[in-house]
Amino acid sequence: DVKVTQSSRYLVKRTGEKVFLECVQDMDHENMFWYRQDPGLGLRLIYFSYDVKMKEKGDIPEGYSVSREKKERFSLILESASTNQTSMYLCASRSPGQGGEQYFGPGTRLTVT
Amino acid sequence: GENVEQHPSTLSVQEGDSAVIKCTYSDSASNYFPWYKQELGKGPQLIIDIRSNVGEKKDQRIAVTLNKTAKHFSLHITETQPEDSAVYFCAASMGSNSGYALNFGKGTSLLVTP
Repeated sequence: DVKVTQSSRYLVKRTGEKVFLECVQDMDHENMFWYRQDPGLGLRLIYFSYDVKMKEKGDIPEGYSVSREKKERFSLILESASTNQTSMYLCASRSPGQGGEQYFGPGTRLTVT
Repeated sequence: GENVEQHPSTLSVQEGDSAVIKCTYSDSASNYFPWYKQELGKGPQLIIDIRSNVGEKKDQRIAVTLNKTAKHFSLHITETQPEDSAVYFCAASMGSNSGYALNFGKGTSLLVTP
């Protein structure tokens, strides 16, 4: 089974702090994704990566950056956390091929106060 | 990303009845359509998917149908059980420029009452 793990289930940070959310997958997948999930808005794509050191903006990249130094690890960075970034953050990795399955981690619920 | 519309937003059925959730999409390039189940406090779990070269797929009590011409697809759960209660999301793949990321519907909260 594919395993996608996220470093924290719950985080509470203060406005202005730098926040790192870590994601690791164990299936040697090339494509990895960060989404945020908010009530009434569903899941929205923040950033994705299709290879080491490669990254692309998704639909809502403002206020975020990412890092992919190793194939198995994809990090989401909030340079200066703000209250509107309080959300559930979901990492996913994807099997290769055009119709590859996408598997999600358990999520990190981030609260910015 | 392109829109994926999902209906209904909430659905309540009696145990043993069937549940149907419908989605429409707008991107003609979409060719992969997964369905996820999300329980409280957990990440979405892939339960079934369909690719554009087939019209129907079944896995025990769960089935998915796809009409590419009309750009809609549906999830059917038969003989529902209380443990089927969860939020269900449909999704449609984006193109290679987006790494085949997914556009999601806004979810259907399914409640199965005993």
